[in-house]
Amino acid sequence: KQEVTQIPAALSVPEGENLVLNCSFTDSAIYNLQWFRQDPGKGLTSLLLIQSSQREQTSGRLNASLDKSSGRSTLYIAASQPGDSATYLCAVIQGAQKLVFGQGTRLTINP
Amino acid sequence: DVKVTQSSRYLVKRTGEKVFLECVQDMDHENMFWYRQDPGLGLRLIYFSYDVKMKEKGDIPEGYSVSREKKERFSLILESASTNQTSMYLCASSARMRGAGTGELFFGEGSRLTVL
Repeated sequence: KQEVTQIPAALSVPEGENLVLNCSFTDSAIYNLQWFRQDPGKGLTSLLLIQSSQREQTSGRLNASLDKSSGRSTLYIAASQPGDSATYLCAVIQGAQKLVFGQGTRLTINP
Repeated sequence: DVKVTQSSRYLVKRTGEKVFLECVQDMDHENMFWYRQDPGLGLRLIYFSYDVKMKEKGDIPEGYSVSREKKERFSLILESASTNQTSMYLCASSARMRGAGTGELFFGEGSRLTVL
């Protein structure tokens, strides 16, 4: 059974820092991996989708990498801003309805 | 931009009432999903639909039913609401992707349901 773990559960850093969020999974037989952010009381906003044939994807200050063999993905946020404060979730996609979500990392950027 | 719209952001219902949660997407996606999200339990799949009138049970379908009469609309129905169905309900959609089954997921804003 696929298990997805995000460590740490919470992270607080000063504004301007570069930071890395981690996502690990136990079964490397995945199709895609997707990163989301969720603001309190809201839905999930898609950040990046990495297909299994790709090793990384970039969007603005965000860069996500995928290493299937080691069961790891990282989300790199450059020059963090207070507006980046949110919960970040990763989801491993193994099929049409086989999506396994991590519990998320709650990120706080302090001005 | 893809838009997934959930008709109600906040609902308060009484035990035993029938509840309808509506979700509409505007990107002609084949796949649609209903999740619930609870603290400490994360996101759990209730039902999944891969085409009009087609549905599959997810991890926690008990107490719920769904309807997909049109491609863009996926409804979640609580036949007789109970207090343990108090939760955040999230609808999502995605394109069908050959081989992977699903492409990028797009979520709605969520519907916060309180059952008294």
